[in-house]
This record gives sequence, structure tokens and C-alpha cells, in this order.
Amino acid sequence: TQLLEQSPQFLSIQEGENLTVYCNSSSVFSSLQWYRQEPGEGPVLLVTVVTGGEVKKLKRLTFQFGDARKDSSLHITAAQPGDTGLYLCAGEEYGNKLVFGAGTILRVKS
Amino acid sequence: DAGVIQSPRHEVTEMGQEVTLRCKPISGHNSLFWYRQTMMRGLELLIYFNNNVPIDDSGMPEDRFSAKMPNASFSTLKIQPSEPRDSAVYFCASSRELAGTDTQYFGPGTRLTVL
Repeated sequence: TQLLEQSPQFLSIQEGENLTVYCNSSSVFSSLQWYRQEPGEGPVLLVTVVTGGEVKKLKRLTFQFGDARKDSSLHITAAQPGDTGLYLCAGEEYGNKLVFGAGTILRVKS
Repeated sequence: DAGVIQSPRHEVTEMGQEVTLRCKPISGHNSLFWYRQTMMRGLELLIYFNNNVPIDDSGMPEDRFSAKMPNASFSTLKIQPSEPRDSAVYFCASSRELAGTDTQYFGPGTRLTVL
């Protein structure tokens, strides 16, 4: 099983600040997904990136897939308290079989 | 449209007891996944099915764990006998197909506590 390392593990910031979460692996993935999970709920898909170098934007969230398809980043601009949650990256090994990173707990204080 | 339904939402049991977790996938979805989430190990894939057939159960931790999908609208994950280290949140997810770009929709999870 391929491994995905996420950093930082925990991030506490003030409303309005910017932040970046990283997801790294020594292995190549067919695609990579980012999820957000709130307490008591299951993860919810935010985005899927497929092509090396691909950049996708979702409002204030920008996702990038590394050129070699081994790493990815999630950048949030002007974070808001509603962004608080657990952010998980997941790499596709094959046939929708996903391996998840340990996650980044984000807390945005107002 | 109803999402993935899991029951029970919470289960507290004593060591040695049998535990059965249930999942109803989204109608029309052909793939179903069982995950386990703990603080120590994060979110781990246990087993997944496609068209009711188990495809990969390499993530099932021990023979105490078993999963079935008797039809397209129902799956169970059984632990017998249960142990305290099985305490975790168990998620079921479904997707239309087994393509990597197909979205997996997660249920709300079952929080299992084994005393």
C-alpha cells in the first residue's frame, strides 16, 4: 500500500489568514482527491485532480497536483470559521481504491 | 435523494460480543466501500465490493471481521468476537462505478465502542 503524508497535522489560525496544506508521497497516483470532514460526519469530496500540474479552484480553495503526480497542495485564501474541519487527501491506487493521508485538523478562529 | 445510510449510529458492546454494522448505499451505485477511522491509524479501507462481489478484502484486519453484500441495496460488516481495539468509527461509502474519478459518497458512520 502506498503512503500519503500530510502536513501540518494541526493548524490554528485567525479568520482572514491564508494557509496551505501539503500531501506528499514517494509513489505516483492515478488521481488524488481532497476531502473535508466535520465532527460526527463522513468525509465529503472537495475536488479530484487527475493530470500532473493540474490546478483547480473552488471559491477560496486552490488545489494543485504535482507535475509527477506524487504530491498535492490545498491553499485556502482568507480562511473563515466555516472552513474549520479535518482535511484529508486520498490517492487512487487503482480502480477507485483510495489510500488516505492522516489528515490536517484546521481550526479558524473568529 | 437519500445519501448513504448506516445503522446503528452508535454501538456500545462488551468484549466477545458479536457486532453487526449495516449500510444502504445510494440507489444506482454499483460500488460499496467499508472504512475504519481511528486517531492512531486514520481512515483505512477494509473491503470493497463491485456489483455485490467482494473485490479486495486485503484491508480486513483479522478473520474476526467479515462483510457481505447480499444485494445491491444492503451490506453488513460483522465483527465476531469483538475486542476493545476494534473501537473506531466505521464508514460505508458508495460510488457509481470503480473508476478512480467516481466520487465516493460517505455515510455518517457508526461509532463502535467495545468495552
